Formats: sequence, structure tokens, C-alpha cells
Amino acid sequence: DIQMTQSPSSVSASVGDRVTITCRASQGIRSWLAWYQQKPGKAPNLLIYASSSLQSGVPSRFSGSGSGTDFTLTISSLQPEDFATYFCQEANSLTFGGGTKVEIK
Amino acid sequence: QVTLRESGPALVKPTQTLTLTCTFSGFSLSTGGMCVSWVRQPPGKALEWLALINWDDDKYYSASLKTRLTISKDTSKNQVVLTMTNMDPVDTATYYCARTLGYRYGYMGLDSWGQGTLVTVSS
Repeated sequence: DIQMTQSPSSVSASVGDRVTITCRASQGIRSWLAWYQQKPGKAPNLLIYASSSLQSGVPSRFSGSGSGTDFTLTISSLQPEDFATYFCQEANSLTFGGGTKVEIK
Repeated sequence: QVTLRESGPALVKPTQTLTLTCTFSGFSLSTGGMCVSWVRQPPGKALEWLALINWDDDKYYSASLKTRLTISKDTSKNQVVLTMTNMDPVDTATYYCARTLGYRYGYMGLDSWGQGTLVTVSS
């Protein structure tokens, strides 16, 4: 199976900061990557699919990029409601990354 | 409006078989491209994808759990059922079902999720 490695595992940031999270696949997956946001006690919410396609209803401050093995999720200006844990997922064996917790600085 | 709801026992004993049902509305699992996945999350840990069934009744399983899982669907009832055999305390987790779009046909992610059901494995 493909392994997905996210970094960092946690990041402390302030409202208004630009935050970048990376996800690395153990083998090439072209652009078949999705990103999810999860808040405590809630189900995950799909943010981005196909590496860079924004899911309907997701704010434009979220963006994704990458192909092959290296991918990034960027939050251009962190908002209070963005403090959460973020997961990547590849589309071959549907493996999730280990998660990145975005915490308040 | 797409909704999904998981149901099943909150507590199972070690070695027992877990049966979970996902009841959904707002889409049909007979429509091309539609799939339903099961995902679990142990307390405080990462998400783990378990199984998927698609509109054509193709079934896919996590390689590490394949021997213990069975997924099936009842299109007329809008339900997907997951069974997991030989339950162990390490299987304690919140189990989610989620609509999945386009697996192996232009993947568009798990776009709608149930609220999850916590299953505890303990004697």
C-alpha cells in the first residue's frame, strides 16, 4: 500500500497567518489527493480533491497544489474557525496521512 | 440533501463480530460513480479507511484488514453494511460511513459523512 506522510504533525499559528501543510506519498499518485478538515468531536469535512480542486462551499483561502509524491495545503489567512486537524488522503488505496493539528499560538 | 447515519452496537466483546449499518438518503448507490466507504478513527488518532462498495457492487478493502471485513449493499433500502470479525480492544474507534465519489473513475473524495458511531471493544 501507499504510505502518506504529513508534516508537521502540529503547527502553532495566529489568526491572519499563512499556514502550509505538506503531504508526501511513498510512490507517485499523479494528482489524486484529497484534503480534509476535522474539528474535535465532528466528522471530517472535504476541502480539496484532485490535489487542487476546491470542494463546493469551501472558502477560497484554502488551496492545494502538487503532483506525483509531494503535495501542499495552504491556508492563506488563518481564521478562528480554521483551528482543526487536517488530513490528506491518496486515491489509490485510500490511505490517509497521520494528520496535522493547527493550534492557536 | 445528502445524509448518512451509522448504526450498530456501542459495545462488543473480544472475538465477536461487529455489524454496522449505514443508512443514507439524498443519492442512489445505483448511480454511476457513487460509492460508500467506511472509515474509523481510534480515540485521539488518525483516520483509517476500511472498505468501499460502488454502484456496480465492486468491493475494495484495506489490505491490512481485508481478511476480517465484508461490505455489502441493499440498494432498495439505501443501506450499506460492514461486518468486522474477531474484534479486539485495538478496534475501539469511532466508525464513519461516507459517500465517496468516483473511486477509480476520477476520484473526488469522501464528500458527505455520517456523524460516526463509537464502538468499544471490551469484555
